[in-house]
Amino acid sequence: RKEVEQDPGPFNVPEGATVAFNCTYSNSASQSFFWYRQDCRKEPKLLMSVYSSGNEDGRFTAQLNRASQYISLLIRDSKLSDSATYLCVVNGNSGYSTLTFGKGTMLLVSP
Amino acid sequence: GAGVSQSPSNKVTEKGKDVELRCDPISGHTALYWYRQSLGQGLEFLIYFQGNSAPDKSGLPSDRFSAERTGGSVSTLTIQRTQQEDSAVYLCASSLTRAAGELFFGEGSRLTVL
Repeated sequence: RKEVEQDPGPFNVPEGATVAFNCTYSNSASQSFFWYRQDCRKEPKLLMSVYSSGNEDGRFTAQLNRASQYISLLIRDSKLSDSATYLCVVNGNSGYSTLTFGKGTMLLVSP
Repeated sequence: GAGVSQSPSNKVTEKGKDVELRCDPISGHTALYWYRQSLGQGLEFLIYFQGNSAPDKSGLPSDRFSAERTGGSVSTLTIQRTQQEDSAVYLCASSLTRAAGELFFGEGSRLTVL
C-alpha cells in the first residue's frame, strides 16, 4: 500500500457544483494532515490543515477518519479558479517533520 | 526577499556534468526541505535540514546527490554526474520550525539532462 494514495482524476465539474476528494494513508501513527493546492507548473501552497474534529474554511471542508485512515476535502459552489491539483499531505514515519505528499487529484471546473 | 528563492529557475545540462541548485529560505525559518517532482508525478522527499544539520537524508536517491546548508540559511543541492532520470523540478521549502505544518515552497529549479 502506498503511503498516501489519491485518485488522480481529473474530476470535471461545472461551476457551482459540489465535489469531494478522498485520500488514504498507510501509517496509522500519522498525526498531522493537510491539503495543499498546486496550480499548473506552480509550486504547492497550503490550502488547509485537517483536524480530528473536522474543519471548515469558507467553501472548503476537510475531515479526518482515523479508524479508516482517510482524509476528505469537500468543495462547495465550485469556482473556475478552483481548477488545480489538490495534494493530500501526511506527516511521515521518521518522527521529524517530514511530510509525505500524495500525487494529487486534478480538478477542472468548467463554465 | 519575502518568499523562498531558488536558482537557477531553469538548467539544461549534459549527461555526466555536475549541477548545483541553490535555495534561499524565508528569513528565520529553521527547517528547510528539498523535494523533487517529475512530470506528472507527486513530490518526492529528498532531504530535510534543521538548522545546519540534516537529520533526515533518507530520500536522497543515490550518492551522486548531496546537500548542505550553511549559516542556518542558504542551502545547496548538488547532483554529480547527472543522468537523464535526474530531470525534474527540484523544489525547496522552508518552515518556521520542524513541527510547523505549513511549508512555503520556492518556484523550483527545472533541471533537464540531455
